[in-house]
Amino acid sequence: KAGVTQTPRYLIKTRGQQVTLSCSPISGHRSVSWYQQTPGQGLQFLFEYFSETQRNKGNFPGRFSGRQFSNSRSEMNVSTLELGDSALYLCASSRKALAGGGQDTQYFGPGTRLTVL
Amino acid sequence: GEDVEQSLFLSVREGDSSVINCTYTDSSSTYLYWYKQEPGAGLQLLTYIFSNMDMKQDQRLTVLLNKKDKHLSLRIADTQTGDSAIYFCAESIKGNTGKLIFGQGTTLQVKP
Repeated sequence: KAGVTQTPRYLIKTRGQQVTLSCSPISGHRSVSWYQQTPGQGLQFLFEYFSETQRNKGNFPGRFSGRQFSNSRSEMNVSTLELGDSALYLCASSRKALAGGGQDTQYFGPGTRLTVL
Repeated sequence: GEDVEQSLFLSVREGDSSVINCTYTDSSSTYLYWYKQEPGAGLQLLTYIFSNMDMKQDQRLTVLLNKKDKHLSLRIADTQTGDSAIYFCAESIKGNTGKLIFGQGTTLQVKP
């Protein structure tokens, strides 16, 4: 079974631009979560999508948005890029992400390394 | 509140055991996870434990959970140079759908 794939793997943008990152989950997985990883802040949760609906959101500004398609593929978008948005963006998929907290392991993709100049 | 703490660095000799520690604060934790990250890569799931369990063993890996002290540890037996990486503990919290809360990561250096 193929793992989580993310495209592109590397991206260089300049301040003020916008960017779209893509994530394809493991076949059969319906939940996709996104995380930002930086040396200073570590791994921080951005948002989670299930059945095309955002179910949970982290503490990020509105410049960060996402969506999920009917095939469970997800995209995240960052508008008006700032230098501080330079990071590794990871997506993770899981089968169902039970709202009650049941076990539902997240499997991570290799990430997209975004550099903002 | 949501907080997960780990020591930042551990150095061991090849063949020794490594013990990586983690503490968490939220008593609503349901599952606790250990992930491994190698340079330039994403996170690889190593193992997980349900918050009502005390111990889980999986080949060279042993996870111990002290729920009273909110302390989690990962023991790697017979540590190899290929085990050199950053290790993250993470917790999921009841009702917090799709979100894992991560520690800062422990860099494990294995010397030959």
